[in-house]
Amino acid sequence: DTAVSQTPKYLVTQMGNDKSIKCEQNLGHDTMYWYKQDSKKFLKIMFSYNNKELIINETVPNRFSPKSPDKAHLNLHINSLELGDSAVYFCASSQMASGETQYFGPGTRLLVL
Amino acid sequence: AQSVTQLDSQVPVFEEAPVELRCNYSSSVSVYLFWYVQYPNQGLQLLLKYLSGSTLVKGINGFEAEFNKSQTSFHLRKPSVHISDTAEYFCAVILKSGTYKYIFGTGTRLKVLA
Repeated sequence: DTAVSQTPKYLVTQMGNDKSIKCEQNLGHDTMYWYKQDSKKFLKIMFSYNNKELIINETVPNRFSPKSPDKAHLNLHINSLELGDSAVYFCASSQMASGETQYFGPGTRLLVL
Repeated sequence: AQSVTQLDSQVPVFEEAPVELRCNYSSSVSVYLFWYVQYPNQGLQLLLKYLSGSTLVKGINGFEAEFNKSQTSFHLRKPSVHISDTAEYFCAVILKSGTYKYIFGTGTRLKVLA
């Protein structure tokens, strides 16, 4: 029973294309996150939604647009992909209370050619 | 602003030897502290966390960490490592109140050698 799932697992695409990554959690959590992990393993938060409301919006190019249709889903759409967007994107979820554990998905490996 | 420093980017250690992975943080307000582990090609999972109470926290897989407020440290230890402990380890903090944003350290790659 997968707690946090992401699709696709791998994504190879050309520069300039538009792509989406989907995330779903079945833990009943009210908060979901998107992180970007670069080739040096540095992990940076991009966005967070609580009950479908955007609560964290870091300095991310506006080519990246998150969308939360309900509190169990958080999708990430990327327009006009660039080489520098190549990374692993992780979705995570938690309950909205400081100190709560975040549960991570397996990641989506994006390679932009 | 908060920050997390993991000074060691890589730590090689022989199997069955002890290991300590260092984490120091900087914050003007109280924080909660976490250690997460990332096995190859997987997402992160929680090893342990310190919220309050005893400063020595025990986690999964035989790991433990000690919160030292005066030194603003939260070092991770294991008395005897296994090959299967080879992974990336991340220290993280979150404010006790206010934003729910984790600040992650840059990670320490633990490589256990046979």
